[in-house]
Amino acid sequence: DAKTTQPPSMDCAEGRAANLPCNHSTISGNEYVYWYRQIHSQGPQYIIHGLKNNETNEMASLIITEDRKSSTLILPHATLRDTAVYYCIVNNAGNMLTFGGGTRLMVKP
Amino acid sequence: DAGVIQSPRHEVTEMGQEVTLRCKPISGHNSLFWYRQTMMRGLELLIYFNNNVPIDDSGMPEDRFSAKMPNASFSTLKIQPSEPRDSAVYFCASSLGGQGRIPLHFGNGTRLTVT
Repeated sequence: DAKTTQPPSMDCAEGRAANLPCNHSTISGNEYVYWYRQIHSQGPQYIIHGLKNNETNEMASLIITEDRKSSTLILPHATLRDTAVYYCIVNNAGNMLTFGGGTRLMVKP
Repeated sequence: DAGVIQSPRHEVTEMGQEVTLRCKPISGHNSLFWYRQTMMRGLELLIYFNNNVPIDDSGMPEDRFSAKMPNASFSTLKIQPSEPRDSAVYFCASSLGGQGRIPLHFGNGTRLTVT
């Protein structure tokens, strides 16, 4: 799997958009970008994934740069319940995922 | 959808004892994964089953660890004998399709403490 780099922590004000960056400069053509999050004391939760195009679902939006070397996960209106560790993973099959350190997002009132 | 069910939620045992962790994947899912999470090493993939067959066990730390999947609705991870360094949260995850873009669904884990 391609290596990913994420900031270790970020803060966001409640109600504002949270933009979580991820660098994956060694990504190969058949590798997808996956985002998961882990809320304290729970198992990781799938958020979204994409290959080239930007993606949006009920939880978040994923913006992938044209050269695919980086991406941004956007939580449009962060709530306190979005406080979690967010993992960016690059993988070509979507199954044997390797989790890095992630970004610890703290949403503050 | 009951989700992935793991039992027990918490397990405390003494060094040298056998420990068995259990997982019931989501009905219809044909891939199952065991992960371990510690503060030092983060989330590590231990073993991956597809259609009840172990596909990759390269993450299993040593022979004290073994995993089985006797049928599509049940898997176990056994540690014998257990050691204090095995203390961690163990997660089970399942998905539909071994090579698809289908997301993994994780259980809420078993917190193992070995004293």
